[in-house]
Amino acid sequence: DAGVTQSPTHLIKTRGQHVTLRCSPISGHKSVSWYQQVLGQGPQFIFQYYEKEERGRGNFPDRFSARQFPNYSSELNVNALLLGDSALYLCASSWGLAGRETQYFGPGTRLLVL
Amino acid sequence: SQELEQSPQSLIVQEGKNLTINCTSSKTLYGLYWYKQKYGEGLIFLMMLQKGGEEKSHEKITAKLDEKKQQSSLHITASQPSHAGIYLCGADRYGGAQKLVFGQGTRLTINP
Repeated sequence: DAGVTQSPTHLIKTRGQHVTLRCSPISGHKSVSWYQQVLGQGPQFIFQYYEKEERGRGNFPDRFSARQFPNYSSELNVNALLLGDSALYLCASSWGLAGRETQYFGPGTRLLVL
Repeated sequence: SQELEQSPQSLIVQEGKNLTINCTSSKTLYGLYWYKQKYGEGLIFLMMLQKGGEEKSHEKITAKLDEKKQQSSLHITASQPSHAGIYLCGADRYGGAQKLVFGQGTRLTINP
């Protein structure tokens, strides 16, 4: 079975632009979470979606938004890009909301903002 | 300061040697997750610990959660080049395994 897939793998944008990142969860998984990992640091939680509803949001500005589609895939949108948004964006999926479920991560999208 | 502090931040060991990575939290840990990351890639799930005193092993990697549930250690026995990478501990802070807070990571290099 395919794991979590993300597209694109790499992206270069300039300040002020908008970007959309995409994630397809493992088949059967209904929960998708997004994380931002700046170079040299651990991932930071951005959003969690389950059954198309936002179930959690980390400490990120409103420039960051996301949505989940009926097929459980998800998009992360970032508006008005800043240099500090340059990072590896990771998507993770799990079956449901059970407290001790394991998350499985995708390979990430590397975003460079110039 | 980080909610989860990992030590050391980087580690270089000779192939075949044992090593330990620590993860310390200022708050009680209700679920502690260990992941491995190849440089610039996604995270690979290693183990999850929930109960104080719990210990789990997978191949040559053993993880423990101390009784007070505020520290976890990851021990690798007889290290191999395939163990090289970044090890990350993550804690369930927001209520659920889907919203983890991570430490800053420990970069492990194995010298042949």
